[in-house]
Amino acid sequence: GQQLNQSPQSMFIQEGEDVSMNCTSSSIFNTWLWYKQDPGEGPVLLIALYKAGELTSNGRLTAQFGITRKDSFLNISASIPSDVGIYFCAGLVNNAGNMLTFGGGTRLMVKP
Amino acid sequence: DTGVSQNPRHKITKRGQNVTFRCDPISEHNRLYWYRQTLGQGPEFLTYFQNEAQLEKSRLLSDRFSAERPKGSFSTLEIQRTEQGDSAMYLCASSPHGRGADTQYFGPGTRLTVL
Repeated sequence: GQQLNQSPQSMFIQEGEDVSMNCTSSSIFNTWLWYKQDPGEGPVLLIALYKAGELTSNGRLTAQFGITRKDSFLNISASIPSDVGIYFCAGLVNNAGNMLTFGGGTRLMVKP
Repeated sequence: DTGVSQNPRHKITKRGQNVTFRCDPISEHNRLYWYRQTLGQGPEFLTYFQNEAQLEKSRLLSDRFSAERPKGSFSTLEIQRTEQGDSAMYLCASSPHGRGADTQYFGPGTRLTVL
């Protein structure tokens, strides 16, 4: 089946740093979504991407839909403590029952 | 506009018991999805409804699992004869018809612990 490889698996950040994470797949997706999940809660939608090459921002967050339709990137600028959490990418193929395929997540932690 | 709601938020049960979870989607969202998430993993698709019709089921959905959406609004997910391996977070999501149909909004989840 389809799989999404998300990297890095985890990273430490210091307040004010920029953060980058990405998702790659061997399959083509028509839609890419990025979510953030806090412990014990459901994923919260951050950014939705619908077209290859699309670059979309949401505040300090910027995400891009790769031109090959097999990858996507999420950048967080000037990180703050509340950015801590798990970030998931998810891809959707429209003719596959509308199911989202999720990456394994990137865990963001604050450097001690 | 209220988000997706799920009840209960937590459920602890003994192996062999039946459990039922409820999901109320965002008002007027005609598409509803169930996912399961185990610790340290991303959510995995279980099933999908468009209105009251169940259009897709994952191989993860064994015959002990059944989902319904009788009136095209709320949905229930029942697990019969629970096993310890069923312990997970069960997530519900909904999306609208037409423009934005690909964008799924998740509820807070129901965490199931099977003892």
